[in-house]
Amino acid sequence: GAGVSQSPRYKVAKRGQDVALRCDPISGHVSLFWYQQALGQGPEFLTYFQNEAQLDKSGLPSDRFFAERPEGSVSTLKIQRTQQEDSAVYLCASSLSLWSVPYEQYFGPGTRLTVT
Amino acid sequence: AQKITQTQPGMFVQEKEAVTLDCTYDTSDQSYGLFWYKQPSSGEMIFLIYQGSYDEQNATEGRYSLNFQKARKSANLVISASQLGDSAMYFCAMSRETSGSRLTFGEGTQLTVNP
Repeated sequence: GAGVSQSPRYKVAKRGQDVALRCDPISGHVSLFWYQQALGQGPEFLTYFQNEAQLDKSGLPSDRFFAERPEGSVSTLKIQRTQQEDSAVYLCASSLSLWSVPYEQYFGPGTRLTVT
Repeated sequence: AQKITQTQPGMFVQEKEAVTLDCTYDTSDQSYGLFWYKQPSSGEMIFLIYQGSYDEQNATEGRYSLNFQKARKSANLVISASQLGDSAMYFCAMSRETSGSRLTFGEGTQLTVNP
């Protein structure tokens, strides 16, 4: 079946522009996660959804970052007034649910954001 | 807070040999999950193996096994019979509870398999 898809795969934004990154999780997956991966580092958690409810947004680095999943499937990560330090790969992952095996998260290919 | 430490930035192994990638963790939680992911140069994270903190037997998945030593707080990945396609970045990660909750990742180990 289809895996997690993300679009766009690459995005170049000028400093100060707003960007929107899209994630299509695996059909039927209840849990959805966003991670940020800086060059040469491991991913870092940003936020988590259970269906349409955003249950944890403690990893969002500033109030310029906003995520939504209005119908419990597709999710969008929005970054307002982009800064150079926002340059990173943004990974989306989905899983069946927190409490059902298998526990693994399935990752999309990521969106590489470059802010110039 | 949870923390994962991977002390080997890079590892080299000959094709068909076994290799161990180190991972230590720190947590005050009684129950937690440990994961290994592979990230090829294409960028996608691929799940390899999972170990719950209450699992008494080490997890195995094909050529992958997780050497879980709870007292030492280590969760090393062993890859047997290395293949050229195993060349990639490998990340150790952990979750709170033995569940699929948010993951905390280490810095990763770049594995190169030589022919």
